[in-house]
Amino acid sequence: DVKVTQSSRYLVKRTGEKVFLECVQDMDHENMFWYRQDPGLGLRLIYFSYDVKMKEKGDIPEGYSVSREKKERFSLILESASTNQTSMYLCASSPEGTAWRNEQFFGPGTRLTVL
Amino acid sequence: GIQVEQSPPDLILQEGANSTLRCNFSDSVNNLQWFHQNPWGQLINLFYIPSGTKQNGRLSATTVATERYSSLYISSSQTTDSGVYFCAVEFQQGAQKLVFGQGTRLTINP
Repeated sequence: DVKVTQSSRYLVKRTGEKVFLECVQDMDHENMFWYRQDPGLGLRLIYFSYDVKMKEKGDIPEGYSVSREKKERFSLILESASTNQTSMYLCASSPEGTAWRNEQFFGPGTRLTVL
Repeated sequence: GIQVEQSPPDLILQEGANSTLRCNFSDSVNNLQWFHQNPWGQLINLFYIPSGTKQNGRLSATTVATERYSSLYISSSQTTDSGVYFCAVEFQQGAQKLVFGQGTRLTINP
C-alpha cells in the first residue's frame, strides 16, 4: 500500500514564526502536492512538484514556499506564519506520468493553528 | 465554467440502509477519484474511476463519461461509513489540476 506520512497531526505556532511541514511518501512517486482545506472553500492546491528540485505554483502559493531535495520528501514552508494560514494541510503523491492523470494518495493531514 | 457538483450535500441514514452519492462534472475528464474523509481529516482513496464500474466490498462506483457523471453506491451502511465523500476530477481542457467537489456529508446512525 502507498503510504504518505506528514510530520505532525496538530501544530500550534505564533504569528511571524517560520513553519515547516514535512511530507514523506514511500512508493517512489514522481509527483507530490500540497493542499489546504478550509470550511466552505474546499481543497485548494498550494504547490506541486513533478520531480526532485522541481516545483510549480498552484492556485494559492502566496505566503508559502516548497522544497523537494529528495524524491520521497516534499516540504511546505510558511516563511512568516499569519493567522489566515490556520488550516488543514494535506500532502499527496502520485506515480510518474502526467501529474494529474494518475491516482493521488493523501497523507493524514496537519491541522495548523497560528495564534 | 468548469464545475464539479456533488449531491446531496448532506445525507442522514440508519445503519443498514443503502445510499447513492452523485458527482456531476461539466466537461470531459482524464481522471476521476472518489475519496472518503474520515472524522480525523484523512482522505482515503475509494476509487480511481475515469470511466466504467468498479466494486470494492460494499462500495461500488460507476462513471458514465459521455453523460458526465459518476455515482458512488454504498450498501448496508455502517457507522464507520460516516464522514465526507469527495469526488475529484481532472478535466481534459483547462488548467491541469484536480478539481474537488464540495462533498457529501454522510451520517450513519446506529
